Amino acid sequence: EADIYQTPRYLVIGTGKKITLECSQTMGHDKMYWYQQDPGMELHLIHYSYGVNSTEKGDLSSESTVSRIRTEHFPLTLESARPSHTSQYLCASSEKVGGRVHNEQFFGPGTRLTVL
Amino acid sequence: KNQVEQSPQSLIILEGKNCTLQCNYTVSPFSNLRWYKQDTGRGPVSLTIMTFSENTKSNGRYTATLDADTKQSSLHITASQLSDSASYICVVTDRGSTLGRLYFGRGTQLTVWP
Repeated sequence: EADIYQTPRYLVIGTGKKITLECSQTMGHDKMYWYQQDPGMELHLIHYSYGVNSTEKGDLSSESTVSRIRTEHFPLTLESARPSHTSQYLCASSEKVGGRVHNEQFFGPGTRLTVL
Repeated sequence: KNQVEQSPQSLIILEGKNCTLQCNYTVSPFSNLRWYKQDTGRGPVSLTIMTFSENTKSNGRYTATLDADTKQSSLHITASQLSDSASYICVVTDRGSTLGRLYFGRGTQLTVWP
């Protein structure tokens, strides 16, 4: 089992609230990712980071923001949650390697977010 | 457009039976293909990885095949167990991306009945 953790596992909140989803990994991986997954659908990349102080937007437009102040920590924040943000959010990490060989992404258990 | 298509969308089999899941992709240039298992409420866990030159890779009762010419892969599960009930996701890595961009299929939801 991968050493990547997400909290909370489940969150039910009201519209307009500010929330932060936590993600931490103890593997020393440089690359970290946030994905959004709806039931029966593929994972969509919403944010990624190459390392400390590096953050980029992914393929799927998201109103969330991320930060990477420490290697092991990659939190995701929603300033004002809406029902359209209801989804599963998965965090992942991978090693930074040279050349064209891409290492495995290790996934956390996910946070199931419901916005009422 | 890079895509990964999986079939069937869902599958129900009896415990002890075998099954095969399919994956077709258009991702190019191709780096590798992984099959992930995702239990309900959990994150995906990698089962196998295959690069361009590999045709078959086994991991216990899981055997994956890859035909890079036709851009098809399959995952064969032998002697299924109740714990095999999960979503199986085909994931292809884009070799042209420094990020190691992954393209995900929607998964096949497998249910194993006793």
